[in-house]
Amino acid sequence: QKEVEQDPGPLSVPEGAIVSLNCTYSNSAFQYFMWYRQYSRKGPELLMYTYSSGNKEDGRFTAQVDKSSKYISLFIRDSQPSDSATYLCAMSSLGAGANSKLTFGKGITLSVRP
Amino acid sequence: DTGVSQDPRHKITKRGQNVTFRCDPISEHNRLYWYRQTLGQGPEFLTYFQNEAQLEKSRLLSDRFSAERPKGSFSTLEIQRTEQGDSAMYLCASSLVVGLSGNTIYFGEGSWLTVV
Repeated sequence: QKEVEQDPGPLSVPEGAIVSLNCTYSNSAFQYFMWYRQYSRKGPELLMYTYSSGNKEDGRFTAQVDKSSKYISLFIRDSQPSDSATYLCAMSSLGAGANSKLTFGKGITLSVRP
Repeated sequence: DTGVSQDPRHKITKRGQNVTFRCDPISEHNRLYWYRQTLGQGPEFLTYFQNEAQLEKSRLLSDRFSAERPKGSFSTLEIQRTEQGDSAMYLCASSLVVGLSGNTIYFGEGSWLTVV
């Protein structure tokens, strides 16, 4: 079993739809949770960063973490064609003072149709 | 905007040749990471530096791989005697760590390696 599992894709939605992207994990030591967006043949770009359980909102994006269920989600409201990309969840177990290496999910490719 | 810069962006090499990638982190970032990403997979951690010290290496980093960060600024990743299985995108990332704070890791655009 991989430490981080991400819903398989690809995912195609119409413009304006609400998108829900999910990851589960097995390592209970993970405390820092991130979502990255990656366009084709580009490096990952940090979208959201959360610590421990709870919700965090930034514009059209909301990140949720449920540590009791080992489940994280990213919601995209009013999705736009420019949101079409691969979304990667990532997590780490230690704070920045130690090695905060990230463990990534496989990524899910989202396509938003105009 | 001086983000993480990687060079070259693309490299095609014959099996058995050596290749070297360079990474220039965001200015004043003291931590530098190397990751590898293959098609359809998320990035996998290879190694990281705190200033010039290499503090951890993944078991993915075989003896043919060596990374350096000689003056705590730019870093190089060298792959010797390349194999077809080395074909991947090599990502560099950096962050500023002060005490226990600062965990925002910024990635470069990656260096694509194709071994033929």
